[in-house]
Amino acid sequence: EVQLLESGGGLVQPGGSLRLSCAASGFTFSNYAMSWVRRAPGKGLEWVATISGSGDNTYYADSVEGRFTISRDNSKSTLSLQMNSLRAEDTAVYYCAKDQEEGGDLNYFDYWGQGNLVTVSS
Amino acid sequence: DIVMTQSPDSLAVSLGERATIHCKSSQSVLYSSNNKNYLAWYQQKPGQPPKLLIYWASTRESGIPDRFSGSGSGTDFTLTISSLQAEDVAVYYCQQYYSTPLTFGGGTKVEIK
Repeated sequence: EVQLLESGGGLVQPGGSLRLSCAASGFTFSNYAMSWVRRAPGKGLEWVATISGSGDNTYYADSVEGRFTISRDNSKSTLSLQMNSLRAEDTAVYYCAKDQEEGGDLNYFDYWGQGNLVTVSS
Repeated sequence: DIVMTQSPDSLAVSLGERATIHCKSSQSVLYSSNNKNYLAWYQQKPGQPPKLLIYWASTRESGIPDRFSGSGSGTDFTLTISSLQAEDVAVYYCQQYYSTPLTFGGGTKVEIK
């Protein structure tokens, strides 16, 4: 059974940093691209970042480029999102999500974590 | 960026009746080399993560009831729930994966009339 267990959310002040983690199990982690998608309060879904299965390729939304860094440790089946220079508009529930297509980079998502709330406020 | 526009924003449908949600992309998401539309649909219930319903515009994900169907090509797509059940109350999103940035529609809230 595929499982994605997120951790690391919480309250942070504007300009601060936070690191999200997602522990994966139930599939060959290194064979699939992984992504972060967020949903701000009262808003829709927004793609944040994707990393290829090997970790060689990364992709970011313009809204987080230069501030957020997606990474993965295939030996530990773990996905991470390092978030720096956080802003109020980054407040959202953050989901890690698995690509359905093996070997691809930018696809659709067949499994999602339960979500982790990040609140940026003073 | 490809902008995904969903309509309506919300709709109320009687139990057992048909619900139809539209999604329009600002440019075609049909890849001519493989004739595939790079379009997916998700369902999100309160307090839960999104759930994949449909990919390649019309392929139902494993385990999804056949009352859910997707259609369309190019820039215009439709998600149809043929006979609405109480458990279908949710927000529905379309997503294009034709190009980066991956983009979602704004969502359509489906309720019971």
